[in-house]
Amino acid sequence: QKEVEQNSGPLSVPEGAIASLNCTYSDRGSQSFFWYRQYSGKSPELIMFIYSNGDKEDGRFTAQLNKASQYVSLLIRDSQPSDSATYLCAVNSPRSSASKIIFGSGTRLSIRP
Amino acid sequence: SQTIHQWPATLVQPVGSPLSLECTVEGTSNPNLYWYRQAAGRGLQLLFYSVGIGQISSEVPQNLSASRPQDRQFILSSKKLLLSDSGFYLCAWRPRSPPDTQYFGPGTRLTVL
Repeated sequence: QKEVEQNSGPLSVPEGAIASLNCTYSDRGSQSFFWYRQYSGKSPELIMFIYSNGDKEDGRFTAQLNKASQYVSLLIRDSQPSDSATYLCAVNSPRSSASKIIFGSGTRLSIRP
Repeated sequence: SQTIHQWPATLVQPVGSPLSLECTVEGTSNPNLYWYRQAAGRGLQLLFYSVGIGQISSEVPQNLSASRPQDRQFILSSKKLLLSDSGFYLCAWRPRSPPDTQYFGPGTRLTVL
């Protein structure tokens, strides 16, 4: 079992709709959860982080965390073509002395006009 | 504010040649530093991390090495490059104290011919 699992996609969503990206993790001790966006040929960019169960909203983005189910999701409202990218879910590794973050392999999101 | 620099941005090297990639962080002190590699169309592979000057931990045995000669400088090296060393090399930093988000540099795209 991978430590952080994501559906690789591609996930195709019409412009203006809600894009829903999902992620599961294996270590129940994880306490920090992150979403990164990576455009083709560019480095990952942090877009959201969440520490507590529930929802956290930032503009068009909402991160959702359910520690009991070991599940993290990212909702993108009013999807725009500029949201087309690979989204990486990341989870802290509590057993690491260097505060390592474990990354999923990413979900490719395509917003169709 | 903190910034992270990597150079060079692009590099084309022959097989068997040496490599030196540099990463520096500004605006923070005592960060955790990380080197990742991303092969084309693939996820992030953690190569090395460092919690302090001269302290290097290797995640994957290979012909690469890393050094941290100064608090905010992280160097990735190789004595002899292989074709399989081609990829997108990313340096990242993370503060010691919360918020424990991780930030990536712009990356170096290495092609070994």
